[in-house]
Amino acid sequence: QITLKESGPTLVKPTQTLTLTCTFSGFSLSTNGMGVGWIRQPPGKAPEWLAIIFWDDIKRYSPSLKSRLTITKDTSKNQVVLTMTNMDPVDTATYYCVRRPADGSYSDYWGQGTLVTVSS
Amino acid sequence: DIQMTQSPSSLSASVGDRVTITCRASQGISNSLAWYQQKPGKVPKLLIYAASTLQSGVPSRFSGSGSGTDFTFTISSLQPEDVTTYYCQQYDSAPYTFGQGTKLEI
Repeated sequence: QITLKESGPTLVKPTQTLTLTCTFSGFSLSTNGMGVGWIRQPPGKAPEWLAIIFWDDIKRYSPSLKSRLTITKDTSKNQVVLTMTNMDPVDTATYYCVRRPADGSYSDYWGQGTLVTVSS
Repeated sequence: DIQMTQSPSSLSASVGDRVTITCRASQGISNSLAWYQQKPGKVPKLLIYAASTLQSGVPSRFSGSGSGTDFTFTISSLQPEDVTTYYCQQYDSAPYTFGQGTKLEI
């Protein structure tokens, strides 16, 4: 059974750094082709793709957010961490951790999501 | 970035209707397109990938077609539980952009 779960703060202040952890099970991020990514969705809006890390440690970021994002993995712990610096109220959204299967960068499994509110 | 234009943004239909949603990419993406269903307050659910491949467990009334820049998502006979929001997503090249969504209503 494949599961992913996001953890991290639900409330951050403007200018602070957000750190989210995705803990997954049922697959290995050392498997050829596998990846774990992050997608966010502001309330009432479409999802927005943020970043992905692949089994070989290659990383891809949304160009509009690249300067603020860092994605890392700990394969031994089955965890992927996303950090986003300089948070702003427009970053308020539900943040999802997703699995990228070996055959393409779509998202076949999603975490339950975590709502992050940016407010002073 | 590749822009994904989804239409219509909303659609009113009746149970049993054939429903079609289109998604157009701003440049060719081969068949690297996925469709997701999202019910209110729930996590998006993958329905179709590779433009036309049905994800395991998804009812066969859902289908997809297209290649290059133009794609279609079809529900052959709309069921009450299908009345929700659908998104397309290209995964040909990062950033893997989404369409703006189509909300189905009865």
